[in-house]
Amino acid sequence: GAVVSQHPSRVICKSGTSVKIECRSLDFQATTMFWYRQFPKKSLMLMATSNEGSKATYEQGVEKDKFLINHASLTLSTLTVTSAHPEDSSFYICSAIGQATYEQYFGPGTRLTVT
Amino acid sequence: QKEVEQNSGPLSVPEGAIASLNCTYSDRVSQSFFWYRQYSGKSPELIMSIYSNGDKEDGRFTAQLNKASQYVSLLIRDSQPSDSATYLCAVRNNNDMRFGAGTRLTVKP
Repeated sequence: GAVVSQHPSRVICKSGTSVKIECRSLDFQATTMFWYRQFPKKSLMLMATSNEGSKATYEQGVEKDKFLINHASLTLSTLTVTSAHPEDSSFYICSAIGQATYEQYFGPGTRLTVT
Repeated sequence: QKEVEQNSGPLSVPEGAIASLNCTYSDRVSQSFFWYRQYSGKSPELIMSIYSNGDKEDGRFTAQLNKASQYVSLLIRDSQPSDSATYLCAVRNNNDMRFGAGTRLTVKP
């Protein structure tokens, strides 16, 4: 299957700071990328959908000014958590769909802890 | 009504048995269907995709799709303790992918 990477895999930051998470499709061009968050023992929650070169579409209840998404190329999307708070601590997972596939592949996830 | 429904489990089967995981969906025009496996603390991993009615087999896994009944299932033959994980059903219509909440499977040695 296709490979999606995320960086960093784990990050600890202080409350009030911003954190950037990168998501890359390594062996295919991703027309669409998705960002999810997942709390322990809970299901995936879609935060936003981003298409290369256009603004992300955010799910209801997700603050677009707090969770900045940039999809500048067909292989890279970034999620920036701005002014992080402890309640933003979660597992953030990106996924991508290629131009020639119906299948959605997930990155390994980034565990964010805000102290 | 949830768009993709799965029994949350836990489903417990003995090693070597067949594990049967079920999923129903509400969007009748859904086109593509997927099963993901998620180990605790890890991200989901695609294990099966199915697009047309009937069965699709891949090793110990068989996906079954019945569009008329809006039902998709995953059978795991000869279950192993390493199959213990949460299994997510996903249903796609164009670029809109919806996930079920997942079924937690435990395979006991």
